[in-house]
Amino acid sequence: DVKVTQSSRYLVKRTGEKVFLECVQDMDHENMFWYRQDPGLGLRLIYFSYDVKMKEKGDIPEGYSVSREKKERFSLILESASTNQTSMYLCASSLLGSARGQGNTIYFGEGSWLTVV
Amino acid sequence: AQKITQTQPGMFVQEKEAVTLDCTYDTSDPSYGLFWYKQPSSGEMIFLIYQGSYDQQNATEGRYSLNFQKARKSANLVISASQLGDSAMYFCAMRENYGQNFVFGPGTRLSVLP
Repeated sequence: DVKVTQSSRYLVKRTGEKVFLECVQDMDHENMFWYRQDPGLGLRLIYFSYDVKMKEKGDIPEGYSVSREKKERFSLILESASTNQTSMYLCASSLLGSARGQGNTIYFGEGSWLTVV
Repeated sequence: AQKITQTQPGMFVQEKEAVTLDCTYDTSDPSYGLFWYKQPSSGEMIFLIYQGSYDQQNATEGRYSLNFQKARKSANLVISASQLGDSAMYFCAMRENYGQNFVFGPGTRLSVLP
């Protein structure tokens, strides 16, 4: 069974703290993604990576950075957490390649609920 | 510009009835995939159904079917015989061939009434 695992389900952090959200996938997928989900806005892409050490900015990269040192692991870093980063964060992975084919769907972790106080 | 539009923030349906959730999309890529996901209150995203831009027939998966109208750029999800467990957020998504990213709509919250 395919698996994307996010290290923390619920976190509470203080403003200004450095926050690490870890994600691991066991499907040997090339692509990994970090999305942020807010009510009424759907999922917005923060960063994605298509290979080790490669990263691409998404729609809302400001205030975030990422790290991909190994194929199976993709970390999201909030350098200095702020209250407007309170949200749910979803990690996902997919195969690299054509958009056609059901096999190229995206698989999600369970989400990390982050509250910054 | 919004690539995926879901115009229904919330929908109600009576148990055992059918419901249609709307999705329109915008792309200039001739090759793309359309996906629907379900998100229960627990938060996990569950893949429901896929439609390829070149597929001749509408996709079906059990009680889920996709009403794909390519010229109108719409990919509506039809759930037949609604169940209480269908109450959730539903997201429409698109993956274009020239990119690796998935773009999601804002979602529709479906509530199934007993």
